[in-house]
Amino acid sequence: DVKVTQSSRYLVKRTGEKVFLECVQDMDHENMFWYRQDPGLGLRLIYFSYDVKMKEKGDIPEGYSVSREKKERFSLILESASTNQTSMYLCASKRQGTGANVLTFGAGSRLTVL
Amino acid sequence: GENVEQHPSTLSVQEGDSAVIKCTYSDSASNYFPWYKQELGKRPQLIIDIRSNVGEKKDQRIAVTLNKTAKHFSLHITETQPEDSAVYFCAASTGGSYIPTFGRGTSLIVHP
Repeated sequence: DVKVTQSSRYLVKRTGEKVFLECVQDMDHENMFWYRQDPGLGLRLIYFSYDVKMKEKGDIPEGYSVSREKKERFSLILESASTNQTSMYLCASKRQGTGANVLTFGAGSRLTVL
Repeated sequence: GENVEQHPSTLSVQEGDSAVIKCTYSDSASNYFPWYKQELGKRPQLIIDIRSNVGEKKDQRIAVTLNKTAKHFSLHITETQPEDSAVYFCAASTGGSYIPTFGRGTSLIVHP
C-alpha cells in the first residue's frame, strides 16, 4: 500500500507565525500535491510538483509556498500565517504518466490560526 | 482552466434507496473522471473512475455514467447502506498529467 504521511494532524499557530506542513510518501511517486479542504468549497489545489525541485501553482497559491528537495517529501510553507488560512490541508501523491491517475491522500493536517 | 460543478451539496436517502450525484465540467479536453469518497475523519479514497472513451462503468452497487456531448457525468449508488454515508467528490482532468480539478463535494446521508 502506498502511504502518504503528514507529520502533524493538528496544529495551532498564531497570526504571523511561519508554518511548515510536511508530507512524505514511500512509493517513489513523481507527482505530489497540496490541497486545502473547507466545508462547501471542496478540495482546492494550492501547489503541485511534477518531480524533485519542480513546483507549479494551483488554483489558490497566494500566501503559500512549497519545497520539494527530495522525491519523497513535499513541504507546504505559510510564510506569515493568517486567520483565513485556518483549514484542513491534504497532501496527495501519484505516479507520473498515462494511466497513473489515482491520487493517494494523506490523513490531513488541521491548522488553526489564532 | 477546468471548472467542475457538483450537485446536490447534500443528499439524504433512506437505506435501500438509490442515490445520484451529478457533475458538469467545462473543458471539453477533459478525459478522465474519478470519484472519491471521504468518510468522516478519514482521507479521500478513489471508488470508481471513467475515461472519456467509455459511456458507463459499474462496480457492484456503484456506477458512473458520462455524457461527453453535454459535459456531465454522474455517480449512481443503488441499494444504499448506512456505510455509504460520506462526502463524495467528483473530479475532471486532462492530458497526460491528469491533475484533477474537484467539485465541491456532496454529503450523502443514508438513514437506517
